[in-house]
Amino acid sequence: DGGITQSPKYLFRKEGQNVTLSCEQNLNHDAMYWYRQDPGQGLRLIYYSQIVNDFQKGDIAEGYSVSREKKESFPLTVTSAQKNPTAFYLCASSITVGGGQYFGPGTRLTVT
Amino acid sequence: KNEVEQSPQNLTAQEGEFITINCSYSVGISALHWLQQHPGGGIVSLFMLSSGKKKHGRLIATINIQEKHSSLHITASHPRDSAVYICAVNYGGSQGNLIFGKGTKLSVKP
Repeated sequence: DGGITQSPKYLFRKEGQNVTLSCEQNLNHDAMYWYRQDPGQGLRLIYYSQIVNDFQKGDIAEGYSVSREKKESFPLTVTSAQKNPTAFYLCASSITVGGGQYFGPGTRLTVT
Repeated sequence: KNEVEQSPQNLTAQEGEFITINCSYSVGISALHWLQQHPGGGIVSLFMLSSGKKKHGRLIATINIQEKHSSLHITASHPRDSAVYICAVNYGGSQGNLIFGKGTKLSVKP
């Protein structure tokens, strides 16, 4: 079955550590996205990628980094520079930018 | 600032009731999405529409471009419909990313 996988579902880290969240898709989609969700707020775009080896900052990119070396994979690194990293992180993909998006199950990151 | 407003924020209904969730946005868009988020956090895309009306099972989505307003209706609601329903819009342009509403939390009681 085609879809998007994110791992792990729950992740715990100590403050000051970088952590990388995984996102893989087998839908053959060109575009991929990372969103952050906080209680009482709408999802906010962190980074997106239109195609392999390309990515663009979203609305809240500070403290995050991404790579897109393969079409299937779009990992997100939460760096120690991110002031409030505890959140629910969602990855999505679409055939092209602007198309309907398919979402992964999400990773809940807790930093203490 | 481009905004997406949803109402109500919270909604409790009895099983079988007809439910309406509203979404309004501030500028012209290329498409509007309705998404469903279950308590575990995963999100499912329900509809993507740019005009008129779409129906899937007991779910109906409508959009009025002139009024910049969309509604999601659920007929014969069931407890398994309990979830957060999120409206999101594409404002177009090269980015193509979505702007999300804060969601409507629906609870359907048996």
